[in-house]
Formats: sequence, C-alpha cells, structure tokens
Amino acid sequence: ETAVFQTPNYHVTQVGNEVSFNCKQTLGHDTMYWYKQDSKKLLKIMFSYNNKQLIVNETVPRRFSPQSSDKAHLNLRIKSVEPEDSAVYLCASRRTGDYEQYFGPGTRLTVL
Amino acid sequence: AQSVTQPDARVTVSEGASLQLRCKYSSSVTPYLFWYVQYPRQGLQLLLKYYSGDPVVQGVNGFEAEFSKSNSSFHLRKASVHWSDSAVYFCAVSPTSSGQKLVFGQGTILKVYL
Repeated sequence: ETAVFQTPNYHVTQVGNEVSFNCKQTLGHDTMYWYKQDSKKLLKIMFSYNNKQLIVNETVPRRFSPQSSDKAHLNLRIKSVEPEDSAVYLCASRRTGDYEQYFGPGTRLTVL
Repeated sequence: AQSVTQPDARVTVSEGASLQLRCKYSSSVTPYLFWYVQYPRQGLQLLLKYYSGDPVVQGVNGFEAEFSKSNSSFHLRKASVHWSDSAVYFCAVSPTSSGQKLVFGQGTILKVYL
C-alpha cells in the first residue's frame, strides 16, 4: 500500500515529558512536512524537509526538533512538552515538481 | 504573505441539496489552489486542485471548484450532497514561487442532515 503512515495514533503524556512521533511515506516523494492542527482545526506548517535537508522552519518553540534519516522518513521530537502542545500532528509529503501534498492520519497528542 | 479566508465556519444542508463552500485568497500572484476534506479522526484528503487553465476543475465524489481571478476566489460546489459528505473542508494555497508549503483557511464544517 502506498500512503503516508504515522505512529502512534494517540499519545497521552504529562507536562515535561519527551515524546517522539514517526512518519513514513511509501509514495516515492522527496519532500515531507509536519503540520500542527489545534483544537479549533487550524492548520499550521511547522517544518519541511527535502531529501533530508531542512527547507522550511516556521517559528516554533525550540523544544520541537524534526529528524530525517532519509527522504521517506520524517520524525518529530518534542522535549519537555507543554499543555499548549496538545494537538493533532499531521505529516504530509509531495514530489518535487508537484504541488499537492498527501497527508497521513495524524497523531493526536494530549498533554495533561 | 499569502492568506486564505473561508468565511463560513459552519454550513448545514439537507441531503440532496446543492452546496457551495466559499474560499477567498490574498496573493499578489495567482497561487496554486486546493480543496481538502477531513473526515473525523482522519488526515486530509485532496479533493481537487487548480494550477492554471480552465477555471472550473473537477474533483472526486462529484465536487468541483471555480477559480475567479477577479474575485480572488476558489469556491467549492456540489450539485447534490450526501450525508457522507459531512466533514471539515479546507481551502489551501501554495505560493507559486516555491510550492514548499500550504497555507490553509480556517476550515468549514459541513453537516448534511437526512
């Protein structure tokens, strides 16, 4: 199956903990993204990688750090989570030359 | 900077009725334009896209959208909605200069009742 896969589906943690989310795409794309969707459904880009190179780094707190081992994988680590980090984190990918992006199902993070 | 406005936060229609969801963008040049749909507890799915050419583009599941340069709009339409169309719909733009990111509107919650 060709798609964008994300793990875990859900994660509940406490303030101050560290969390990591994984994203893998089997679409053969070379650019990947992390978006944050808040409780009001607002979507904002966080990071973009092209062939393991950071391309877009929006203004996000320094506790967020993306990690890419190859063009098919893009992970997100959050050190010392805060309550405002509670959201759905969506991973997406696209092929260079195309402009539509394909999204994974998201990881829902709840910070208690 | 480019921006997208979806003026209707929530739209409610009966099954079988026609639908229009509005989208207005702000950009100095015509961007690439998209409509995505998000069903509950799922990611975003691409409905349709506009790059250039015919201003009316067809998408999946009977959806279409019309680009208007004069109005800076990209409204989504469907002739006859089904209850399964209930979802959140997002309009998005991508700067033609790089295509590196999508800028999304606030989303419109569509409820279709029987």
